[in-house]
Amino acid sequence: AQKVTQAQTEISVVEKEDVTLDCVYETRDTTYYLFWYKQPPSGELVFLIRRNSFDEQNEISGRYSWNFQKSTSSFNFTITASQVVDSAVYFCALSVTGNQFYFGTGTSLTVIP
Amino acid sequence: DGGITQSPKYLFRKEGQNVTLSCEQNLNHDAMYWYRQDPGQGLRLIYYSQIVNDFQKGDIAEGYSVSREKKESFPLTVTSAQKNPTAFYLCASSILGQVVEIADTQYFGPGTRLTVL
Repeated sequence: AQKVTQAQTEISVVEKEDVTLDCVYETRDTTYYLFWYKQPPSGELVFLIRRNSFDEQNEISGRYSWNFQKSTSSFNFTITASQVVDSAVYFCALSVTGNQFYFGTGTSLTVIP
Repeated sequence: DGGITQSPKYLFRKEGQNVTLSCEQNLNHDAMYWYRQDPGQGLRLIYYSQIVNDFQKGDIAEGYSVSREKKESFPLTVTSAQKNPTAFYLCASSILGQVVEIADTQYFGPGTRLTVL
């Protein structure tokens, strides 16, 4: 069975602090994709990153970085120097054979000015 | 601009009525999806379609119906059989995975918020 766990339901940080959002996944498939999406108050999910199971290289995009570790089945997301515009709900998702996504329950991030 | 549109943004329904939510994409994607999101919860899959005139049930298909007569369009009907339809509905699309049968990146529309009065 596939499962994505985002144990942090809500996080609050003060602007300019760094914050890490945790994502732990479960799958027996050896080939899969992992994703992060951002859902601002407007509601639309915005795609942030996709990682395939064969690429464990960490990625950095501006203030965003992702740490993929197969040994711990984790795909954590770090925002450096957080800003108020980062306030949103963030979802981690897993895609495996069968053309379905499995979403975590999301982490609500509030950045306090 | 390429993207996914959903209409209406807000929809109010009386109990016992069927309503249809629209989803259109001009990304030339083969696959389309409908999700339901309840407050404080993740996304749950209602239906998905990989080709025209074909669709599959997701985890919570009861009380919903879909059609896929055109590649660009994937409307969702919330029927009176759906006992608790008040929720936020999101439509998404993707190309079919380049790795066999693995869903590629899904792109989402702005959503429709349905309220039953």
